Amino acid sequence: ELKVEQNPLFLSMQEGKNYTIYCNYSTTSDRLYWYRQDPGKSLESLFVLLSNGAVKQEGRLMASLDTKARLSTLHITAAVHDLSATYFCAVDMRGNQFYFGTGTSLTVIP
Amino acid sequence: KAGVTQTPRYLIKTRGQQVTLSCSPISGHRSVSWYQQTPGQGLQFLFEYFSETQRNKGNFPGRFSGRQFSNSRSEMNVSTLELGDSALYLCASSPTSSGGYTFGSGTRLTVV
Repeated sequence: ELKVEQNPLFLSMQEGKNYTIYCNYSTTSDRLYWYRQDPGKSLESLFVLLSNGAVKQEGRLMASLDTKARLSTLHITAAVHDLSATYFCAVDMRGNQFYFGTGTSLTVIP
Repeated sequence: KAGVTQTPRYLIKTRGQQVTLSCSPISGHRSVSWYQQTPGQGLQFLFEYFSETQRNKGNFPGRFSGRQFSNSRSEMNVSTLELGDSALYLCASSPTSSGGYTFGSGTRLTVV
């Protein structure tokens, strides 16, 4: 069964700092997604990565995919408080059957 | 544009009862999937329907079932509820058989 691991599980960072969240998965796939979840809320789509070497950027967030290494990263640049949330990566193995990572709970401290 | 609508938002049931949750996908979306989210197990895939056919099923007992109607609306049913079924149940829809989801706000089920 596909396993998806994220690290770190918890991340506390100061405003203005940079950091990277890692997502490793155990089986070959070229479809990876990043979602954000605020407390008590649903999942909000951030990025869709559909090929090796794909890089997407939106504001202070940038996601990349290396299918050979089975690794995706979510890089945060100059963090602000509004980015505090839980971030999930998800690997799509069979077409709309997602395996989610454990999530990274991010807290940005003023 | 209306999003994915799940009803009800909150539900409290007693052990042994059954429950039906409803999901209306975005107009034109033919794929509907269901996920269970718990603090201990995280987000787990339940099943996916495309054009009224169940295409994929996760590793859940037979007490969990679902269906999709011709208008793409979907329902999931859980029979003989157990305390461990307490969770946030998320529905998601997609316009194609692959390509990522839009999630609904979820139904929070509490079993007492």
